[in-house]
Amino acid sequence: GNSVTQMEGPVTLSEEAFLTINCTYTATGYPSLFWYVQYPGEGLQLLLKATKADDKGSNKGFEATYRKETTSFHLEKGSVQVSDSAVYFCALSHPGGSEKLVFGKGTKLTVNP
Amino acid sequence: GAVVSQHPSRVICKSGTSVKIECRSLDFQATTMFWYRQFPKQSLMLMATSNEGSKATYEQGVEKDKFLINHASLTLSTLTVTSAHPEDSSFYICSARARHPTSGRSYNEQFFGPGTRLTVL
Repeated sequence: GNSVTQMEGPVTLSEEAFLTINCTYTATGYPSLFWYVQYPGEGLQLLLKATKADDKGSNKGFEATYRKETTSFHLEKGSVQVSDSAVYFCALSHPGGSEKLVFGKGTKLTVNP
Repeated sequence: GAVVSQHPSRVICKSGTSVKIECRSLDFQATTMFWYRQFPKQSLMLMATSNEGSKATYEQGVEKDKFLINHASLTLSTLTVTSAHPEDSSFYICSARARHPTSGRSYNEQFFGPGTRLTVL
């Protein structure tokens, strides 16, 4: 079935460090891919998305490229800030137009000043 | 942006009681609402999908008589955990898909509520 695997956390970085959170997926067809972020005490928010191969999603300095050949959608940011501390979830939507989301386990990021 | 609220944010109940959790879209009409369950250090697991005015569609392994879902209006869905037991303790999260106010078409994005922490003693 469809599944998402993302790197285990927690991840702790110093401010201005480079961030990569790995995400790979297994799916039949061509899913849409998402990164969601959950700040402490808040609901999940869509961070970025990509709907087809080679698309790059970007928002707030974060980027992820839909790599069909490696079935990956790794999240990157060149210089993290303390305010980026949150839990990040990689997700896919079922191919075939369904709106159902399949989530990874989440990766907790802590950025220290 | 679109806001989804959940109430209560936290509830503690005795084993055998029923608990109702509300999910509201505050500034948009939701064609579809989703209920998820999240265990500690685990991913969100979809429990059911509900469309306004129709019966919810439950995922495999989710007991529909245990987790009653009602989607009575375009802005409100409720999840009732019936005869709750300690193993039902979890974090329950809802999300909603918005409907364009004039065309009626659904947007692709889901908007998430802040979640409800249920503890069954």
